Amino acid sequence: AQSVTQPDIHITVSEGASLELRCNYSYGATPYLFWYVQSPGQGLQLLLKYFSGDTLVQGIKGFEAEFKRSQSSFNLRKPSVHWSDAAEYFCAVAGSGYALNFGKGTSLLVTP
Amino acid sequence: GAVVSQHPSRVICKSGTSVKIECRSLDFQATTMFWYRQFPKQSLMLMATSNEGSKATYEQGVEKDKFLINHASLTLSTLTVTSAHPEDSSFYICSARDDIAGNTGELFFGEGSRLTVL
Repeated sequence: AQSVTQPDIHITVSEGASLELRCNYSYGATPYLFWYVQSPGQGLQLLLKYFSGDTLVQGIKGFEAEFKRSQSSFNLRKPSVHWSDAAEYFCAVAGSGYALNFGKGTSLLVTP
Repeated sequence: GAVVSQHPSRVICKSGTSVKIECRSLDFQATTMFWYRQFPKQSLMLMATSNEGSKATYEQGVEKDKFLINHASLTLSTLTVTSAHPEDSSFYICSARDDIAGNTGELFFGEGSRLTVL
């Protein structure tokens, strides 16, 4: 079954520093991959998605992600983190019937 | 962009009562909607796939008699938690796939409904 793994449960970065959140997927064919962000008590907001084509995907809020088939990874990056980026980040892969299978999430803390 | 509305956003009920949560696609048609449950500080777990005009498909371990799903129109799916108990307290999130958008796999999520059972 299609699945994703987010190895880091918590990450702390200083405001202005760069960020990389890791995501590894398990899927035989070309996966549909997504990154979502969730603020406390809120729903999910789509940051970016990868279906095919260019392996470097640009998203909203200055985020980007790179699909690397050789490493089965889809890591999320941002060059300079803002305090408002503190949230929970979920990587997801489309499964059968288009339902999304989510990773366990990475909680981002931004320090001054 | 496509909008999915969930109602209510918060609900508190007594143990043994039933609670209905609505999920509406506001500007697109959705033959297929999905219901997820999220416990505190955990990931989203797929509960069931809701299909317009047919029975929902439940994930393993999800009690279909407890979590009743009705998808009566192309823009509305409802989740009813029957005889709710404190262990059913959770954050329930629905999502919908745009029928016309094609097979992009993208889902649009509601804002979630926080259920607290006393």
